[in-house]
Amino acid sequence: TQLLEQSPQFLSIQEGENLTVYCNSSSVFSSLQWYRQEPGEGPVLLVTVVTGGEVKKLKRLTFQFGDARKDSSLHITAAQPGDTGLYLCAGDQTGANNLFFGTGTRLTVIP
Amino acid sequence: NAGVMQNPRHLVRRRGQEARLRCSPMKGHSHVYWYRQLPEEGLKFMVYLQKENIIDESGMPKERFSAEFPKEGPSILRIQQVVRGDSAAYFCASSRGQGQYGAFFGQGTRLTVV
Repeated sequence: TQLLEQSPQFLSIQEGENLTVYCNSSSVFSSLQWYRQEPGEGPVLLVTVVTGGEVKKLKRLTFQFGDARKDSSLHITAAQPGDTGLYLCAGDQTGANNLFFGTGTRLTVIP
Repeated sequence: NAGVMQNPRHLVRRRGQEARLRCSPMKGHSHVYWYRQLPEEGLKFMVYLQKENIIDESGMPKERFSAEFPKEGPSILRIQQVVRGDSAAYFCASSRGQGQYGAFFGQGTRLTVV
């Protein structure tokens, strides 16, 4: 059972465009994290959101945690080629002993 | 402050041999997670350990796979009698605790079974 579904699975856009990636679940999470992974490397933690409705900004990236803490979105403004990579969301549930990772969104930004 | 260190980065084993993957967590981190990733796929949880204890090994195959995190030294993921299907990237992550602390990943070990 896949707890976290990400959409779209693949996304190819031109430099300068905006995009939104979604992470959805029917389960409630106590916190949710976003990671970016480049080829041949491990995932790098971008942000952790904890409170329902929380919005966090990291330069051109905006992360939002759904009010019910079941979903999250990542919005990138004016995408750059350096944003290319695999974006993964991961959720933590109270009482669970691992981070559940989403299916991933593979982003390609074309110069 | 060094990050999570995994070694080796690449490991080639013949079918039937043993593979030992090492992970040194970040300083001050006592929680270690191991994940497996196949090409073009997401991360699959294998095992969660704290110092000297296996907390959750629900994602790890019952046979041939084992993990440990001793009081001293790195965490070890051990795969006995490897088969071609074990070929994958294995990532270790460490954390100060569960939940909002987030996990910090190593660069992974790419295991190839020939």
